[in-house]
Amino acid sequence: QQPVQSPQAVILREGEDAVINCSSSKALYSVHWYRQKHGEAPVFLMILLKGGEQKGHEKISASFNEKKQQSSLYLTASQLSYSGTYFCGTDHSGGGADGLTFGKGTHLIIQP
Amino acid sequence: NAGVTQTPKFQVLKTGQSMTLQCAQDMNHEYMSWYRQDPGMGLRLIHYSVGAGITDQGEVPNGYNVSRSTTEDFPLRLLSAAPSQTSVYFCASSPPGLRGTQYFGPGTRLLVL
Repeated sequence: QQPVQSPQAVILREGEDAVINCSSSKALYSVHWYRQKHGEAPVFLMILLKGGEQKGHEKISASFNEKKQQSSLYLTASQLSYSGTYFCGTDHSGGGADGLTFGKGTHLIIQP
Repeated sequence: NAGVTQTPKFQVLKTGQSMTLQCAQDMNHEYMSWYRQDPGMGLRLIHYSVGAGITDQGEVPNGYNVSRSTTEDFPLRLLSAAPSQTSVYFCASSPPGLRGTQYFGPGTRLLVL
């Protein structure tokens, strides 16, 4: 079952912060975050494994609450280059061999 | 390394025609997958493979066929194209050690008239 992302879209000014949420109705083994620019392929940002660890990538970080089956992506002091569509992908099997189940995406627009 | 490559980049088909979307990777990844992306739907898994000779169905397999004769190649066949198969198709590969992290190819845009 597809994870639910919120919000569907967000518009920010450069330098503002954003939070994107991903929620699943099934137990999660890991959560993956991707960013896609218009007309391009999704690009891997980070993976969150069971254990609630928080990971970071430049000014982008994420958390994973396995009890609530939720993950959140935090973008701080947003830059114009952060614009795009963000997808969470969930792994329920643990092996990772059978692909990921992706949410519908969150459109992020950063204005100067 | 070229990573994951896909051909063609664009294709227009007529209803009922068949074609093969090519996908190759040079990273020696065991796992490969095909996704389709439609507006407002996100990415949906069509078929996947855990190694040469092994394939399985994903969420939306109807109308598509795959085979995996080598580690490098994972072609997707449309048996009889329908307008509902108009979409952007992404091939992805994944190394077993990274627990399913997908590395995507550039995509193939398909229009079925």
